[in-house]
Amino acid sequence: AQSVAQPEDQVNVAEGNPLTVKCTYSVSGNPYLFWYVQYPNRGLQFLLKYITGDNLVKGSYGFEAEFNKSQTSFHLKKPSALVSDSALYFCAVRDGNNAGNMLTFGGGTRLMVKP
Amino acid sequence: EAQVTQNPRYLITVTGKKLTVTCSQNMNHEYMSWYRQDPGLGLRQIYYSMNVEVTDKGDVPEGYKVSRKEKRNFPLILESPSPNQTSLYFCASSLSRTGVREQYFGPGTRLTVT
Repeated sequence: AQSVAQPEDQVNVAEGNPLTVKCTYSVSGNPYLFWYVQYPNRGLQFLLKYITGDNLVKGSYGFEAEFNKSQTSFHLKKPSALVSDSALYFCAVRDGNNAGNMLTFGGGTRLMVKP
Repeated sequence: EAQVTQNPRYLITVTGKKLTVTCSQNMNHEYMSWYRQDPGLGLRQIYYSMNVEVTDKGDVPEGYKVSRKEKRNFPLILESPSPNQTSLYFCASSLSRTGVREQYFGPGTRLTVT
């Protein structure tokens, strides 16, 4: 079975400081990894993904994430946080070797960026 | 505008009264899926569809039905809703059936079953 853990329910950071939102995963095959963001009263929006290739992936709004196979992690990062980054962030994984198409989401991490 | 639409956005109903939540996408995506979002549990997949007339169970299919008669539509049916189905529901679609592409999400339907 595949699973995702987001160990922090909430991350607080001051505007202008770097931010990290943590994600670890478990799959038996090759991981397809995604980050989504949810703003209040909105659906989820895609930020970035790792399928194969370079371990450092860049996405929307200045976000990036690093795939670390040995630590089974895919932490989301941004060098300088904005107040407008405050939202709920979800990490998700799919087993690329699995013929089924289930995407498993973590429980979400609320990011609060304070001015 | 490329989008996934859901209706209704809000619904309050009573136990046992059948309901349908519609989902439509205008991107000609083959893959569509339904999720429910509950606090602390993230999103859990209910059902997904790889193509017309092809549907499969996700993590939490009990109490739900789906159909995919047309490519653009993927309604979620609750034949006999119960209070434990009170949740926020999202429909999503994707260009890829193999999971390599991102999913596009609808705005959500907040369902309350009393």
